[in-house]
Amino acid sequence: GEDVEQSLFLSVREGDSSVINCTYTDSSSTYLYWYKQEPGAGLQLLTYIFSNMDMKQDQRLTVLLNKKDKHLSLRIADTQTGDSAIYFCAEIGFSGNTGKLIFGQGTTLQVKP
Amino acid sequence: DAGVIQSPRHEVTEMGQEVTLRCKPISGHNSLFWYRQTMMRGLELLIYFNNNVPIDDSGMPEDRFSAKMPNASFSTLKIQPSEPRDSAVYFCASSFAGRDEQFFGPGTRLTVL
Repeated sequence: GEDVEQSLFLSVREGDSSVINCTYTDSSSTYLYWYKQEPGAGLQLLTYIFSNMDMKQDQRLTVLLNKKDKHLSLRIADTQTGDSAIYFCAEIGFSGNTGKLIFGQGTTLQVKP
Repeated sequence: DAGVIQSPRHEVTEMGQEVTLRCKPISGHNSLFWYRQTMMRGLELLIYFNNNVPIDDSGMPEDRFSAKMPNASFSTLKIQPSEPRDSAVYFCASSFAGRDEQFFGPGTRLTVL
């Protein structure tokens, strides 16, 4: 079945770059997503990448996709204390013909001043 | 739009009591998801509905859990009887279609004593 795996914790200093990694299993997933969960809140879509792309850049965020290795990463440049949150990657899984998102366990990013 | 609305935001109850969590999805969305989040198990998909019909309830932990979606604008997740190990944050999310971006509610923090 589908499975998405992430490392659980990452600590960086303010101003450094953060790289959060994710591996997934379903090679047919057309989109791959990154969600952010701030303390006490629900998940919010941060960015996504279409499966025919290798890279997507959005301001301080860079998403890299290696389809051969089924590896997805999220790079945050110039990490700020406000970036401290849990980051979830997600792929699309299916029950019959109905799609749903399969989330990883989440990576807690701690940004030290 | 007010986004996904969940109630109550916090619930404290005693073991053995019935608990009902409520969700109002974003108007026009036809897929609704119930998740549970704990430190130990991370984010778990409990059940999801498409056009008010349950599609996949394989994540529902046991018969004490039940979910309904009587119409497109309302869903409930019921736990009867509740147990301390049910203590978690329960999120509801909705989307236009199962594979699309999901919009999460603020969650209900449940504590079972």
